[in-house]
Parts: sequence; structure tokens; C-alpha cells
Amino acid sequence: GNSVTQMEGPVTLSEEAFLTINCTYTATGYPSLFWYVQYPGEGLQLLLKATKADDKGSNKGFEATYRKETTSFHLEKGSVQVSDSAVYFCALNRDDKIIFGKGTRLHILP
Amino acid sequence: ETGVTQSPTHLIKTRGQQVTLRCSSQSGHNTVSWYQQALGQGPQFIFQYYREEENGRGNFPPRFSGLQFPNYSSELNVNALELDDSALYLCASSLGTSGSGANVLTFGAGSRLTVL
Repeated sequence: GNSVTQMEGPVTLSEEAFLTINCTYTATGYPSLFWYVQYPGEGLQLLLKATKADDKGSNKGFEATYRKETTSFHLEKGSVQVSDSAVYFCALNRDDKIIFGKGTRLHILP
Repeated sequence: ETGVTQSPTHLIKTRGQQVTLRCSSQSGHNTVSWYQQALGQGPQFIFQYYREEENGRGNFPPRFSGLQFPNYSSELNVNALELDDSALYLCASSLGTSGSGANVLTFGAGSRLTVL
């Protein structure tokens, strides 16, 4: 079936460090891929998306590239800030439904 | 442009009771999806409503039911509550059920249900 697997957290980094959160997916065909972010006490917000192979989604300094050959959509940021502390969810769209991974909690230390 | 609003934000029920959660969709959105997010887990799809009809359902029993109203707002009803129903229930609205609009969900902050 369709599923998303992302690295387990929590991930703890110092401010200005480089961030990678791994995400791989299993799906038939070519789903759209997303990263959502959940800040404490808030609902999920779309961070970025990619709709076809080799597309790069980007927003707020975060990037992810749709890699069909490795079925991956890893999230990266060159220099994280304390305000990036949140839970990050990788997700795919299949049959018009969004399927989420379990989430990765990110802590950024000042 | 108003976002998605959910009520109540927190509630406590006992096993066997029934609960109704409410959601107002974002202005201009006609599709509502409900998700259950257990502690430490990703959101799990419960069902979706489009034009007041159920349009897809996840792996949840029939005691989870819903409604969508002509103004696109929605309710989630859960009967015969069980301890495992304790979770954050998220409502998300979108424009349409397919294509680029459907890909972008706008989430509410959720209703946190505790079943004792």
C-alpha cells in the first residue's frame, strides 16, 4: 500500500547547523509529495511540495527534491534557527487523500 | 481570509459516551477532511466530505461518522467512545477533491479529546 517513512526523532541541533530529515515513500504511480510543519499548539501548515520527479520544493530556507529513483523526499536547511523547532511531517497524496509519516520532532538549541 | 476553526479545543469524555466535534472550513474551500492524530503519531485519515457527501474513508469503524453542511462546515461524531479514541482530531479544508487545489490542505488547530 501507500506509506511514508521518515527518520525518528527527536533531532536536536545547535542554531546555524545544517539540517536533514530523511523521508522515503512507497506508492504506486507518481504521487505528489509534501512537507508539513506543526508548531506547538497549532495545526499543521504546508511547508513545501513537489508534484513530479526532480521537482524541488522550497520555502523559508527549507528545500526538498522529489527523487523517483530512490523514492525519497528529504528535507534540508542550510542554517536552522531556534524558531524552526517544531514537528515535521512528510506526506504524499494518493487517490486524492493525504497520507502522513509519523513526524520528526526538531529541537534547535540557541 | 479566515482559516479553519475547530471547536471545542479540549474536551474530556468517559468510555461509552458520544462526542461531536465541529469545523468551519476556510473561506472558498468546499472540501473537508478529518484526521486523527494519536500522541507521537502522524495524522491518520478518517474521511472526507465534498458537496455534503462522504468522499472516501480511512480504516475507521462506523461509529465514526460525519456531516457536511451547505456552508461547507462539518461535524465529526464518534459514538461509544473507547479509551483508544483519545487523540487530537484535526480538520482540514481544501478546494476540490482532485488536482492542485486538493493537494493543499489548510488545517485547524485541532480538538483534543481525552477519553477516561
